[in-house]
Amino acid sequence: DTEVTQTPKHLVMGMTNKKSLKCEQHMGHRAMYWYKQKAKKPPELMFVYSYEKLSINESVPSRFSPECPNSSLLNLHLHALQPEDSALYLCASSLQRDKPREQYFGPGTRLTVT
Amino acid sequence: AQTVTQSQPEMSVQEAETVTLSCTYDTSESNYYLFWYKQPPSRQMILVIRQEAYKQQNATENRFSVNFQKAAKSFSLKISDSQLGDTAMYFCAFTNAGGTSYGKLTFGQGTILTVHP
Repeated sequence: DTEVTQTPKHLVMGMTNKKSLKCEQHMGHRAMYWYKQKAKKPPELMFVYSYEKLSINESVPSRFSPECPNSSLLNLHLHALQPEDSALYLCASSLQRDKPREQYFGPGTRLTVT
Repeated sequence: AQTVTQSQPEMSVQEAETVTLSCTYDTSESNYYLFWYKQPPSRQMILVIRQEAYKQQNATENRFSVNFQKAAKSFSLKISDSQLGDTAMYFCAFTNAGGTSYGKLTFGQGTILTVHP
């Protein structure tokens, strides 16, 4: 089963709201990723978790806060976002960070900040 | 730093015909992986094909095949017998095989492929 699930599919939030995105995989992968994707552009890496520890933060603003409660679950907590943060947020996983093979992507959460 | 270049922003093909998407990359590493990902409109990004740099044989997956030219740093995707469901944005991507790879995927800018009936 090569499935990564993400909830919710769509999210509309105001600039003062706090919300969270959720990502889950049950493939035994030990590396998980958050990407941001604007329309007709490639995904931009935000965070990498390896064995539940944050290993890469691509200078992402602190209004985005990742969390990895266990090896199957990855959250992205959102607070005080700006309209320019509206995008498709993709989660991905791979077997291990330092033995890179393909990454498997979830369907994404389409976020609109009003 | 690695870079990936897709020089064709958009392409179109008739159903049942063959189309080739281009990708070039730049790296000083000797061992790495290359991928083609497909992202249909408003749908999930899925892996189409993978190539390991130390393997000289070109990867194939059903109607999809690659032409991997390591010396030229070229990695093109050929789609045979194109189908309407192949309409999507295609991304070429690169990652190092070890060392300081950090699991990062470097993507090209993408090629929008439209298959016409």
